[in-house]
Amino acid sequence: QVQLVESGGGVVQPGRSLRLSCAASGFTFSSYAIHWVRQAPGKGLEWVAAISFDGSVKFSAGSVKGRFTVSRDNSKNTLYLQMNSLRPDDTAVYYCVRDRYQLHEAAAGCFDVWGQGTMVTVSP
Amino acid sequence: QSVLTQPPSASGTPGQRVTISCSGSSSNIGSHTVNWYQQFPGTAPKLLIYSNNQRPSGVPDRFSGSKSGTSASLAISGLQSEDEADYYCAAWDGNLNGDVFGTGTKVTVL
Repeated sequence: QVQLVESGGGVVQPGRSLRLSCAASGFTFSSYAIHWVRQAPGKGLEWVAAISFDGSVKFSAGSVKGRFTVSRDNSKNTLYLQMNSLRPDDTAVYYCVRDRYQLHEAAAGCFDVWGQGTMVTVSP
Repeated sequence: QSVLTQPPSASGTPGQRVTISCSGSSSNIGSHTVNWYQQFPGTAPKLLIYSNNQRPSGVPDRFSGSKSGTSASLAISGLQSEDEADYYCAAWDGNLNGDVFGTGTKVTVL
Protein backbone atom coordinates (compact mmCIF):
# COMPACT_ATOMS: atom_id res chain seq x y z
CA GLN A 1 0.00 0.00 0.00
CA VAL A 2 0.97 3.64 -0.34
CA GLN A 3 3.22 4.44 2.58
CA LEU A 4 5.68 6.98 3.95
CA VAL A 5 7.86 5.99 6.91
CA GLU A 6 9.97 8.55 8.73
CA SER A 7 13.03 7.76 10.82
CA GLY A 8 15.99 9.51 12.43
CA GLY A 9 14.27 11.42 15.20
CA GLY A 10 15.62 11.57 18.73
CA VAL A 11 16.92 13.82 21.48
CA VAL A 12 19.65 16.28 20.51
CA GLN A 13 21.32 19.22 22.21
CA PRO A 14 20.79 22.81 20.99
CA GLY A 15 23.17 23.74 18.21
CA ARG A 16 23.68 20.16 17.04
CA SER A 17 22.52 18.49 13.83
CA LEU A 18 20.16 15.67 12.92
CA ARG A 19 19.11 14.08 9.63
CA LEU A 20 15.63 12.72 9.13
CA SER A 21 14.77 10.18 6.45
CA CYS A 22 11.47 9.26 4.85
CA ALA A 23 11.13 5.98 2.95
CA ALA A 24 8.36 5.79 0.36
CA SER A 25 6.66 2.70 -0.99
CA GLY A 26 3.58 1.70 -2.94
CA PHE A 27 3.71 4.55 -5.45
CA THR A 28 6.05 6.13 -8.01
CA PHE A 29 8.07 8.30 -5.65
CA SER A 30 9.89 10.13 -8.45
CA SER A 31 6.59 11.54 -9.78
CA TYR A 32 5.59 13.45 -6.65
CA ALA A 33 6.58 16.58 -4.79
CA ILE A 34 7.15 15.81 -1.11
CA HIS A 35 7.02 18.07 1.93
CA TRP A 36 7.98 18.09 5.58
CA VAL A 37 5.35 19.31 8.08
CA ARG A 38 5.92 19.54 11.83
CA GLN A 39 3.79 19.79 14.94
CA ALA A 40 5.15 20.96 18.27
CA PRO A 41 3.68 19.24 21.36
CA GLY A 42 0.13 20.47 21.90
CA LYS A 43 0.37 22.91 18.99
CA GLY A 44 -0.87 23.20 15.42
CA LEU A 45 0.63 22.15 12.12
CA GLU A 46 3.54 24.04 10.57
CA TRP A 47 4.84 23.55 7.03
CA VAL A 48 8.64 23.18 6.99
CA ALA A 49 9.95 22.49 3.49
CA ALA A 50 9.13 21.12 0.06
CA ILE A 51 11.00 19.57 -2.84
CA SER A 52 9.81 19.01 -6.39
CA PHE A 53 9.48 15.57 -7.95
CA ASP A 54 12.95 15.77 -9.49
CA GLY A 55 14.66 17.74 -6.73
CA SER A 56 15.20 20.80 -8.90
CA VAL A 57 12.95 23.11 -6.88
CA LYS A 58 13.09 23.53 -3.12
CA PHE A 59 11.22 25.81 -0.74
CA SER A 60 11.52 26.22 3.02
CA ALA A 61 9.78 28.13 5.78
CA GLY A 62 11.34 31.30 7.08
CA SER A 63 11.73 29.73 10.53
CA VAL A 64 14.15 27.10 9.18
CA LYS A 65 15.71 28.84 6.19
CA GLY A 66 19.48 28.57 6.22
CA ARG A 67 19.39 25.80 8.85
CA PHE A 68 17.31 22.98 7.29
CA THR A 69 17.88 21.45 3.86
CA VAL A 70 15.51 19.08 2.08
CA SER A 71 16.82 16.60 -0.47
CA ARG A 72 15.78 13.36 -2.13
CA ASP A 73 17.26 10.26 -3.74
CA ASN A 74 14.74 8.96 -6.25
CA SER A 75 16.85 5.85 -6.86
CA LYS A 76 16.28 4.93 -3.21
CA ASN A 77 12.71 6.25 -2.92
CA THR A 78 13.89 8.31 0.04
CA LEU A 79 13.47 11.91 1.21
CA TYR A 80 15.79 13.61 3.67
CA LEU A 81 15.74 16.60 5.98
CA GLN A 82 19.13 17.81 7.18
CA MET A 83 18.61 19.91 10.28
CA ASN A 84 21.51 22.03 11.52
CA SER A 85 21.84 24.53 14.36
CA LEU A 86 18.85 23.01 16.09
CA ARG A 87 16.95 25.11 18.62
CA PRO A 88 14.52 24.15 21.40
CA ASP A 89 11.63 25.54 19.35
CA ASP A 90 12.38 22.95 16.65
CA THR A 91 11.05 20.32 19.06
CA ALA A 92 8.16 18.65 17.24
CA VAL A 93 6.84 15.60 15.47
CA TYR A 94 8.06 15.77 11.89
CA TYR A 95 5.82 14.36 9.18
CA CYS A 96 6.77 13.47 5.64
CA VAL A 97 3.82 14.15 3.31
CA ARG A 98 3.06 13.58 -0.36
CA ASP A 99 1.65 16.38 -2.48
CA ARG A 100 -1.18 15.46 -4.81
CA TYR A 101 -0.02 18.24 -7.17
CA GLN A 102 3.26 19.62 -8.50
CA LEU A 103 4.79 22.67 -6.82
CA HIS A 104 4.10 24.97 -9.78
CA GLU A 105 0.39 24.22 -9.78
CA ALA A 106 -2.16 26.51 -8.11
CA ALA A 107 -3.42 23.54 -6.13
CA ALA A 108 0.04 22.70 -4.71
CA GLY A 109 0.22 21.88 -1.03
CA CYS A 110 -2.48 19.20 -1.03
CA PHE A 111 -1.15 16.53 1.31
CA ASP A 112 -2.88 13.27 0.48
CA VAL A 113 -0.47 10.81 2.12
CA TRP A 114 1.11 11.30 5.55
CA GLY A 115 3.76 9.32 7.37
CA GLN A 116 3.36 8.37 11.02
CA GLY A 117 5.85 11.04 12.08
CA THR A 118 9.15 11.02 13.95
CA MET A 119 9.74 12.96 17.17
CA VAL A 120 12.62 15.41 17.43
CA THR A 121 13.42 16.83 20.87
CA VAL A 122 15.97 19.62 21.21
CA SER A 123 17.01 19.91 24.83
CA PRO A 124 20.22 20.56 26.82
CA GLN B 1 3.20 30.75 12.97
CA SER B 2 -0.24 30.22 11.46
CA VAL B 3 -1.33 32.59 8.72
CA LEU B 4 -4.90 31.34 8.37
CA THR B 5 -7.37 32.11 11.16
CA GLN B 6 -9.85 29.58 12.51
CA PRO B 7 -12.05 29.61 15.63
CA PRO B 8 -10.36 27.60 18.40
CA SER B 9 -13.42 25.49 19.07
CA ALA B 10 -16.81 24.43 17.72
CA SER B 11 -19.41 22.10 19.13
CA GLY B 12 -22.76 20.54 18.47
CA THR B 13 -25.05 17.71 19.44
CA PRO B 14 -25.32 14.56 17.35
CA GLY B 15 -27.17 15.23 14.13
CA GLN B 16 -26.53 18.97 14.14
CA ARG B 17 -24.65 20.92 11.48
CA VAL B 18 -21.34 22.52 12.48
CA THR B 19 -19.43 25.04 10.38
CA ILE B 20 -15.77 26.03 10.74
CA SER B 21 -14.46 29.21 9.12
CA CYS B 22 -10.97 29.84 7.76
CA SER B 23 -9.80 33.36 6.97
CA GLY B 24 -6.75 34.18 4.89
CA SER B 25 -5.52 36.72 2.37
CA SER B 26 -5.13 37.31 -1.35
CA SER B 27 -1.76 35.55 -1.44
CA ASN B 28 -3.09 32.25 -0.10
CA ILE B 29 -6.82 31.48 -0.09
CA GLY B 30 -7.49 34.29 -2.56
CA SER B 31 -5.32 32.71 -5.24
CA HIS B 32 -4.90 29.04 -4.33
CA THR B 33 -7.17 26.16 -3.46
CA VAL B 34 -8.03 25.27 0.12
CA ASN B 35 -7.56 21.90 1.78
CA TRP B 36 -8.91 20.63 5.07
CA TYR B 37 -7.34 18.04 7.38
CA GLN B 38 -8.79 16.02 10.26
CA GLN B 39 -6.56 14.92 13.14
CA PHE B 40 -7.31 12.63 16.05
CA PRO B 41 -5.11 12.76 19.18
CA GLY B 42 -1.82 10.97 18.75
CA THR B 43 -2.28 10.31 15.04
CA ALA B 44 -1.18 11.92 11.78
CA PRO B 45 -3.59 14.29 10.06
CA LYS B 46 -5.76 13.00 7.23
CA LEU B 47 -6.85 14.84 4.09
CA LEU B 48 -10.56 15.55 4.43
CA ILE B 49 -11.36 18.07 1.68
CA TYR B 50 -9.12 19.16 -1.21
CA SER B 51 -9.39 21.75 -3.97
CA ASN B 52 -11.94 23.73 -1.92
CA ASN B 53 -14.78 21.22 -2.10
CA GLN B 54 -13.58 17.79 -3.23
CA ARG B 55 -13.77 14.75 -0.99
CA PRO B 56 -11.10 12.01 -1.25
CA SER B 57 -12.39 8.49 -1.62
CA GLY B 58 -13.75 7.19 1.66
CA VAL B 59 -14.64 10.55 3.22
CA PRO B 60 -18.35 10.65 4.16
CA ASP B 61 -20.49 13.11 2.23
CA ARG B 62 -21.56 14.81 5.45
CA PHE B 63 -18.27 16.72 5.13
CA SER B 64 -18.31 19.60 2.64
CA GLY B 65 -16.11 22.56 1.84
CA SER B 66 -16.56 25.93 0.19
CA LYS B 67 -14.51 29.00 -0.62
CA SER B 68 -15.36 32.62 -1.32
CA GLY B 69 -12.75 35.29 -1.87
CA THR B 70 -10.15 35.04 0.90
CA SER B 71 -12.23 32.83 3.19
CA ALA B 72 -13.23 29.21 3.27
CA SER B 73 -15.42 27.01 5.42
CA LEU B 74 -15.87 23.39 6.34
CA ALA B 75 -19.32 22.06 7.18
CA ILE B 76 -20.14 18.87 9.00
CA SER B 77 -23.76 17.86 8.53
CA GLY B 78 -25.35 15.23 10.73
CA LEU B 79 -22.60 15.48 13.34
CA GLN B 80 -21.49 12.15 14.78
CA SER B 81 -19.48 11.29 17.88
CA GLU B 82 -16.61 10.01 15.76
CA ASP B 83 -16.24 13.49 14.21
CA GLU B 84 -14.76 14.78 17.47
CA ALA B 85 -11.27 15.82 16.35
CA ASP B 86 -9.07 18.77 15.40
CA TYR B 87 -9.61 20.33 11.98
CA TYR B 88 -7.10 22.43 10.04
CA CYS B 89 -7.48 24.44 6.86
CA ALA B 90 -4.47 25.03 4.61
CA ALA B 91 -3.51 26.68 1.35
CA TRP B 92 -0.40 27.47 -0.64
CA ASP B 93 0.88 31.02 -0.18
CA GLY B 94 2.37 32.58 -3.30
CA ASN B 95 4.22 35.29 -1.35
CA LEU B 96 5.85 32.86 1.07
CA ASN B 97 6.33 30.07 -1.51
CA GLY B 98 5.11 27.63 1.06
CA ASP B 99 2.01 26.08 2.54
CA VAL B 100 0.22 27.82 5.38
CA PHE B 101 -2.04 26.16 7.90
CA GLY B 102 -4.92 27.45 9.94
CA THR B 103 -4.75 27.78 13.70
CA GLY B 104 -6.91 24.68 14.09
CA THR B 105 -10.41 24.08 15.44
CA LYS B 106 -11.31 21.48 18.03
CA VAL B 107 -14.76 20.03 17.37
CA THR B 108 -16.60 18.64 20.37
CA VAL B 109 -19.72 16.51 20.14
CA LEU B 110 -21.90 17.31 23.14
